[in-house]
Amino acid sequence: KAGVTQTPRYLIKTRGQQVTLSCSPISGHRSVSWYQQTPGQGLQFLFEYFSETQRNKGNFPGRFSGRQFSNSRSEMNVSTLELGDSALYLCASSSAGGPDQPQHFGDGTRLSIL
Amino acid sequence: AQTVTQSQPEMSVQEAETVTLSCTYDTSESDYYLFWYKQPPSRQMILVIRQEAYKQQNATENRFSVNFQKAAKSFSLKISDSQLGDAAMYFCAGTLGTYKYIFGTGTRLKVLA
Repeated sequence: KAGVTQTPRYLIKTRGQQVTLSCSPISGHRSVSWYQQTPGQGLQFLFEYFSETQRNKGNFPGRFSGRQFSNSRSEMNVSTLELGDSALYLCASSSAGGPDQPQHFGDGTRLSIL
Repeated sequence: AQTVTQSQPEMSVQEAETVTLSCTYDTSESDYYLFWYKQPPSRQMILVIRQEAYKQQNATENRFSVNFQKAAKSFSLKISDSQLGDAAMYFCAGTLGTYKYIFGTGTRLKVLA
């Protein structure tokens, strides 16, 4: 089975721009979660989608949004980029997103804001 | 508030020795799940071990075992016979009564040859 695929691997943007990141989960997985990883902060939960619906949301501003398609692929959008948005963005999938289920992570997208 | 705390930013261990990584958490729930994840320098995070809070028996996966103390809200990871390939960032995480994963800030483990 193919793992979780995130594209692109690297992105460089400037302040004020917007960006869209993509995540394809493991085949058959219906839950997709997004995390922001920065040094010293660990992983901060952004949101989780299940069957095209946002089921959980973290404490991030409205500039961070996402969606999930019928094939479970998910996109995350960040508008009006700020320097502090520079981070590794990780996507993780699980079959149903239950609290007992381990997450399967992608390699991440490294976003750098100039 | 539900939190996961890792107080050791960095640890070192000699090859073949044993090391214990600490993790504490806070939740008012009685049923939850705890995890340890490993993130090698290549970045992809992988699951190391999982513990169900309702199980008193500590989880074990080969050289990896946990010491789960529910009353103390402590969940430490023990790595026995450490190998060079164990060098990585280790994250403690929990779904503390919700569907959301809450992660600690991580412990960087260095393995010395």
